[in-house]
Amino acid sequence: AQSVTQPDIHITVSEGASLELRCNYSYGATPYLFWYVQSPGQGLQLLLKYFSGDTLVQGIKGFEAEFKRSQSSFNLRKPSVHWSDAAEYFCAVLTYNTDKLIFGTGTRLQVFP
Amino acid sequence: GAGVSQTPSNKVTEKGKYVELRCDPISGHTALYWYRQSLGQGPEFLIYFQGTGAADDSGLPNDRFFAVRPEGSVSTLKIQRTERGDSAVYLCASSAGAGETQYFGPGTRLLVL
Repeated sequence: AQSVTQPDIHITVSEGASLELRCNYSYGATPYLFWYVQSPGQGLQLLLKYFSGDTLVQGIKGFEAEFKRSQSSFNLRKPSVHWSDAAEYFCAVLTYNTDKLIFGTGTRLQVFP
Repeated sequence: GAGVSQTPSNKVTEKGKYVELRCDPISGHTALYWYRQSLGQGPEFLIYFQGTGAADDSGLPNDRFFAVRPEGSVSTLKIQRTERGDSAVYLCASSAGAGETQYFGPGTRLLVL
């Protein structure tokens, strides 16, 4: 069955530090992969997506993610975190035979000044 | 342009009551999705509409849950005989079609007392 694992429930970084959020997926074919961000009381905002092609994808707010088929991973990175990046981050895989998103449990990012 | 909107933003009801949650998708989007997000979890798929018909309702937890999209635009999620376990944030998303990016609304927070 398809699944998404985000091993880190909670991450704390200092403002200006680099960030990497981990995501591993289980899916039988080439996946469509997404990262969404959710601020408190808000809906999900799309950060970036991977469908095919270049395995390093750029998103909004200075985020990027790299698809590594050999590791079944799609980790999210940002070189320098801002206090406004504090939020919950969700990785998701799209099951294109049924067109539903399967989400991980999320990683809560806390940013200290 | 307007995004996905959901009403009400919050709903408090008593156990056993009936509730309706409304979703207005992005104009022109043919696909509409409902997800449920429990506290500390990622969103979980409930149902997917392509046009007026439910293409996949495999995520509906039981027959107390029902959703409609009679004109292929606005959708209503209906919950009968609510239970305390139904308390969650109900998220709606829409997309331009199968395999396309899903854009989420702000959600309806349902609390069943």
